[in-house]
Amino acid sequence: DQQVKQNSPSLSVQEGRISILNCDYTNSMFDYFLWYKKYPAEGPTFLISISSIKDKNEDGRFTVFLNKSAKHLSLHIVPSQPGDSAVYFCAASGLTGANNLFFGTGTRLTVIP
Amino acid sequence: DVKVTQSSRYLVKRTGEKVFLECVQDMDHENMFWYRQDPGLGLRLIYFSYDVKMKEKGDIPEGYSVSREKKERFSLILESASTNQTSMYLCASRTGTQGFGEQYFGPGTRLTVT
Repeated sequence: DQQVKQNSPSLSVQEGRISILNCDYTNSMFDYFLWYKKYPAEGPTFLISISSIKDKNEDGRFTVFLNKSAKHLSLHIVPSQPGDSAVYFCAASGLTGANNLFFGTGTRLTVIP
Repeated sequence: DVKVTQSSRYLVKRTGEKVFLECVQDMDHENMFWYRQDPGLGLRLIYFSYDVKMKEKGDIPEGYSVSREKKERFSLILESASTNQTSMYLCASRTGTQGFGEQYFGPGTRLTVT
């Protein structure tokens, strides 16, 4: 059963506008969340993370928001650039216990010039 | 700079063959992982290892085995390849013993079993 869900398989956004990618999870034991970006024929690269003690983390154009009560996180990219076009995966883990990450199914972002 | 390398980018094998996928990391990480990525299914964990000679099953270990004889190297073995094992295989590594911290991924091996 998918514990981390990305319900939008794709998203198209105009260059310069905001991209919002969403992710939901079911396991309340998850305490740490990450976003990865993946280009074709490459491995995923880490983008940004957030722990459960925060509700927001910002890194340049990228901001991740966490709503623990709703078990929901989102990634905001402002402003979007054509180079941001990639597949974005959210992932979750517990701060204690298992070392592995649980990944969502990914959202393909296309930024239109 | 962090580096995870995988032995092949593309591999074509026949049904029933034994297949070895190799992964090497140069970051002295304790933890190493094997995932497969399929369209619409995201990344699914096959096996992981938290130390030399130690391994744990992930979500989909059936049909696979692993070997970790040295800290920097983690091998995925398909004992008898089948067509449903055609997929993109991704290796990753991470430091530490807790869940905190990102994983670093290799470029992936696209395996086709005919």
